[in-house]
Amino acid sequence: DAGVTQSPTHLIKTRGQQVTLRCSPKSGHDTVSWYQQALGQGPQFIFQYYEEEERQRGNFPDRFSGHQFPNYSSELNVNALLLGDSALYLCASSYLGTPVELFGPGTRLLVL
Amino acid sequence: AQSVSQHNHHVILSEAASLELGCNYSYGGTVNLFWYVQYPGQHLQLLLKYFSGDPLVKGIKGFEAEFIKSKFSFNLRKPSVQWSDTAEYFCAVPSNDYKLSFGAGTTVTVRA
Repeated sequence: DAGVTQSPTHLIKTRGQQVTLRCSPKSGHDTVSWYQQALGQGPQFIFQYYEEEERQRGNFPDRFSGHQFPNYSSELNVNALLLGDSALYLCASSYLGTPVELFGPGTRLLVL
Repeated sequence: AQSVSQHNHHVILSEAASLELGCNYSYGGTVNLFWYVQYPGQHLQLLLKYFSGDPLVKGIKGFEAEFIKSKFSFNLRKPSVQWSDTAEYFCAVPSNDYKLSFGAGTTVTVRA
């Protein structure tokens, strides 16, 4: 079992562009959460998906959106990129109603 | 909502020294607490967790943490660190709906 996988590992974009990050949860997990980790800071919760619906959302603008597919995999989309969106984006998976314990390796996004 | 604060931003110590990292949580009823570690270039890994029961929790790699309710603390300890313990350490608490709130993190540098 590969655990949580994410792609791509690194990404460089310019301001104003759009980006899509992908996550596959651990086999058997049905809930995917996304976190943003800026340099030198702890991860910040973006949102959580279950049954293809957004269940919870952190304090992030509507430029951040997501999707969950029937196979539980998920995408994070960020529109109109800003320099401040440069960060490590972490995906975590869990069973619904249980605390997240398992994180993926992350996608490092650099916005120039 | 539950939150945590970590006292130390950067700790530097020599091999074989003892390590203690502070974490305080805000009051909010039932408390579950986590410590995560992020080694250089690697993904976030769960070190240990407290849900209930014995307040002294043993984790991986020789780490332990003690839940002290009267002090709202969950400090991480290791009696004798190794160079390979160089990493960033995060304390985290799940809210009632299980999204994780992380502390700002403590960077630990162990000198050989």
